[in-house]
Amino acid sequence: KNQVEQSPQSLIILEGKNCTLQCNYTVSPFSNLRWYKQDTGRGPVSLTIMTFSENTKSNGRYTATLDADTKQSSLHITASQLSDSASYICVVSRVAPGNQFYFGTGTSLTVIP
Amino acid sequence: GAGVSQSPSNKVTEKGKDVELRCDPISGHTALYWYRQRLGQGLEFLIYFQGNSAPDKSGLPSDRFSAERTGESVSTLTIQRTQQEDSAVYLCASSSEAGGWADTQYFGPGTRLTVL
Repeated sequence: KNQVEQSPQSLIILEGKNCTLQCNYTVSPFSNLRWYKQDTGRGPVSLTIMTFSENTKSNGRYTATLDADTKQSSLHITASQLSDSASYICVVSRVAPGNQFYFGTGTSLTVIP
Repeated sequence: GAGVSQSPSNKVTEKGKDVELRCDPISGHTALYWYRQRLGQGLEFLIYFQGNSAPDKSGLPSDRFSAERTGESVSTLTIQRTQQEDSAVYLCASSSEAGGWADTQYFGPGTRLTVL
């Protein structure tokens, strides 16, 4: 069964601290993995996209890692800011047929001053 | 505008009525996606278009749901005989190519559908 699981479900951290969000998946055959940030009431915004050959990819203070062997990904946020408060969604897509996306339920991050 | 737009932003309808949701993708984007997000739940993939054709309709929850795209531009998602469980935010996204590693999806603000 193709699944994407994220942990923790929710997280509260102090402004300026770092945090790491986890994504484990069983989707196969794997095409790519994406991390999205979704602010409350807004559409998701893409942070990173990684294929199986990519181990790490950065986007500003966001760094995503991928271990295709263990089917795990992490999103590391450095020096958190209040504006980082959002839901972070891991999405794994499968190779054809079709173009199927499997979404995690997200990690809700709250950054407090 | 330069982004994906959706209309209406909010729609309240009575159970059993039909509704039509519209998505205007970023100009030139060949791929278009529809998602659903129920309150407190994750995103749910519904359907995607490559040009005007829909290679993958696997996410449509029932035959009450249909979608079309014309002119490789505007797309409409139609829900017939709406049910209360259809209440959700319906999100549209577009990208310049479908499925590949370069496929960054740009999302619209969504349409919040409430079925009474």
